Amino acid sequence: EDQVTQSPEALRLQEGESSSLNCSYTVSGLRGLFWYRQDPGKGPEFLFTLYSAGEEKEKERLKATLTKKESFLHITAPKPEDSATYLCAVQAGYGGATNKLIFGTGTLLAVQP
Amino acid sequence: NAGVTQTPKFRVLKTGQSMTLLCAQDMNHEYMYWYRQDPGMGLRLIHYSVGEGTTAKGEVPDGYNVSRLKKQNFLLGLESAAPSQTSVYFCASTDPNQPQHFGDGTRLSIL
Repeated sequence: EDQVTQSPEALRLQEGESSSLNCSYTVSGLRGLFWYRQDPGKGPEFLFTLYSAGEEKEKERLKATLTKKESFLHITAPKPEDSATYLCAVQAGYGGATNKLIFGTGTLLAVQP
Repeated sequence: NAGVTQTPKFRVLKTGQSMTLLCAQDMNHEYMYWYRQDPGMGLRLIHYSVGEGTTAKGEVPDGYNVSRLKKQNFLLGLESAAPSQTSVYFCASTDPNQPQHFGDGTRLSIL
């Protein structure tokens, strides 16, 4: 069964304290792994797509990496405005061209000033 | 650009009532999706559409129906609401091989 597991469930950091969020997955033929950010009362906002092991993408203080079994979202010197829930999702290779995603349950990040 | 717009934003229903949630996108996307988000469960796919006039079941379709009569609109219907359908509902749209874009959700409570 295709599955996405995110850890930790919640993370509290001090401003400037770097850390990483984990997304481990089991899927039949990975077509893409997606990271989203979700603020309270809002819909998920797209951050990154990774397609193959070894790939990395960066945006401001965020860097996403991918291996054959997991992805990491590294947050360097976070600021309070980085506080949000971060969601990971995978697109499996089966099912034709539907772009269907399987989501993890997210990591709630709180960055304190 | 408004992106993906969901209406209504909030709604309270009584058990057994029916209602329709509307999703509209202005990006001319081919694919549209309805999800529900519950605490500790993550986003789960209810139904989706890969083009005007097409619909398909997702992971949790029971108790819901959908229609996509126009390319820009995707409607989610609850025929006879149940308390278990209390949730936050999100609509998303995309084109093939592109990331999904989400609306800001409809918060639905069923008493």
